[in-house]
Amino acid sequence: SQQGEEDPQALSIQEGENATMNCSYKTSINNLQWYRQNSGRGLVHLILIRSNEREKHSGRLRVTLDTSKKSSSLLITASRAADTASYFCATDAYGSARQLTFGSGTQLTVLP
Amino acid sequence: DAGVIQSPRHEVTEMGQEVTLRCKPISGHDYLFWYRQTMMRGLELLIYFNNNVPIDDSGMPEDRFSAKMPNASFSTLKIQPSEPRDSAVYFCASSSFREGPIYGYTFGSGTRLTVV
Repeated sequence: SQQGEEDPQALSIQEGENATMNCSYKTSINNLQWYRQNSGRGLVHLILIRSNEREKHSGRLRVTLDTSKKSSSLLITASRAADTASYFCATDAYGSARQLTFGSGTQLTVLP
Repeated sequence: DAGVIQSPRHEVTEMGQEVTLRCKPISGHDYLFWYRQTMMRGLELLIYFNNNVPIDDSGMPEDRFSAKMPNASFSTLKIQPSEPRDSAVYFCASSSFREGPIYGYTFGSGTRLTVV
């Protein structure tokens, strides 16, 4: 079953704009991760945020986590055409012994 | 490191045939996961191993599915007999939780299975 639900399902923006994707989940977590999947490829790990962290940065990526609302957001700043991909959140649920449950994904299209 | 290696990349088979998917995890990773991805159901965890031992196979859809990990560098996912509804992309991923912080999974490029 899918733990996380991404919002929006699809997002189309112009190059240079910022892209924000949201993820909601249902159970208590150890950490939340974001992955990118280019068409026809495997998933690539982007960033991990622990349950006791509220914000994390990595390059043009900024992730926030609100455990009280069971939600997270991924912000990609100054987007590029190469950022076009599907983005998934994944949760390592507390007590789940390491298995990740993935959300349904957001398809991001960055137009040149 | 070449990453997680899956073979074959594409497989087309007839209904009723046996299909074997293969995975070589990253050396030193002690966890291996098999996922299935479809448009309708998204990414589903089928089974995962820790130190070559199956830990949770509750995601395996039917008895037609089986997975093995005979050693730390090789795992197989077998479907026998295959059915059209098994058509999907199957991903293998590995990770290590031995030391300190938890890092993300490393995924293979997947096997696109089509059962006709």
